[in-house]
Amino acid sequence: DMKVTQMPRYLIKRMGENVLLECGQDMSHETMYWYRQDPGLGLQLIYISYDVDSNSEGDIPKGYRVSRKKREHFSLILDSAKTNQTSVYFCASRAGTEVFFGKGTRLTVV
Amino acid sequence: SQWGEENLQALSIQEGEDVTMNCSYKTYTTVVHWYRQDSGRGPALIILIRSNEREKRSGRLRATLDTSSQSSSLSITAAQCEDTAVYFCATSSSSFSKLVFGQGTSLSVVP
Repeated sequence: DMKVTQMPRYLIKRMGENVLLECGQDMSHETMYWYRQDPGLGLQLIYISYDVDSNSEGDIPKGYRVSRKKREHFSLILDSAKTNQTSVYFCASRAGTEVFFGKGTRLTVV
Repeated sequence: SQWGEENLQALSIQEGEDVTMNCSYKTYTTVVHWYRQDSGRGPALIILIRSNEREKRSGRLRATLDTSSQSSSLSITAAQCEDTAVYFCATSSSSFSKLVFGQGTSLSVVP
């Protein structure tokens, strides 16, 4: 059973704090993604990773950076979080034409 | 319809009815993906239709694709309460590397 795991599921941070969202997949997929989802806006692509240390900006990369040191792990980092980064963040990995999503991390920046 | 400047659409139907959701896209795509998202979960692929297909069926689902008008539709036949979810269309490039989502349609099926 293909699985994408996100930690933590819920997170509250103060404005200006650093945030680390972690994602793991047990399928050895090369391509992984970070999306954010806001009400009424669908999913917006933040970053794509094609493999270890091979990352590419998505549509809304500003304010975010990523790290992929092992194929099975993909991290999203917010340096000095802002209130407008309050959102639900989804990690995903791709196998062929299908993308598998994790359950999401709900981040609140206060 | 999804895409463009439209906000999230909401539909409410009764159990047993048929429903069609529409999606239009702006850029060339070789595949239209349809995902459903249940409350508190990530999206999950339910059906995929390629540019050389006009129609694709999977159980009670039927997807169509019109590349000339850059639009796709997802129909559910005899909807059931468990079909209640948000449905997204998404497009991808030929390499399938980048998946771009529409705003989604929130479907509520009531008894």
